[in-house]
Amino acid sequence: EIVMTQSPATLSVSPGERATLSCRASQSLSSNLAWYQQKPGQAPRLLIYGASTRATDIPARFSGIGSGTEFTLTISSLQSEDFAVYYCQQYNKWPLTFGPGTKVAIK
Amino acid sequence: EVQLVESGGGLVQPGRSLRLSCEVSGFNFDDYGMHWVRQAPGKGLDWVAGISWNSGSIGYADSVKGRFTISRDNAKKSLYLQMNSLRVEDTALYYCAKGHYSGSSDHFDFWGQGIVVTVSS
Repeated sequence: EIVMTQSPATLSVSPGERATLSCRASQSLSSNLAWYQQKPGQAPRLLIYGASTRATDIPARFSGIGSGTEFTLTISSLQSEDFAVYYCQQYNKWPLTFGPGTKVAIK
Repeated sequence: EVQLVESGGGLVQPGRSLRLSCEVSGFNFDDYGMHWVRQAPGKGLDWVAGISWNSGSIGYADSVKGRFTISRDNAKKSLYLQMNSLRVEDTALYYCAKGHYSGSSDHFDFWGQGIVVTVSS
């Protein structure tokens, strides 16, 4: 099983600032990595797939980069609606696995 | 508009069975892989099972292999999860999720709102 780790567990950021979230895989994923946002009481929402392709209707302030085992999600200028938990997920190999999440909190 | 609506959840005793259903609309169901993902209370996301567009490729998490069975009926635009020998640790919110591609190793571009399964004596 591919183990996904995310850091930090919690990121405290002020509105308007940049947030950088990391995701690491225990083995190479090529670019088969997705990012999701989840707000309390809501289903997850796909943000990024293929490590760097924004999903439909996702604002340009969200960007992803990486390949192999190291990946990064950047939110360039945090808006109030961006405070949430972010998960990475690998789909390179079964079983599909998620990281434990990074909570982006208001500073 | 893409919609996925789960049903069939509830409270069940350990060792018993439950069958979840997911009815979809707003897209060509038989073109895409489908998945079940769960989230235990206060915890992260956990992939449970996935099935390709034609049921030719199916995968399970190790934690449910041999106990859960995923299936689909393309004519009814429905996805199912038969859960047998349920354990307390299966307690979670179960999401139905649409794959981005036709296969079963994929990411998820649309999600239902989830259905609660509680396993308790």
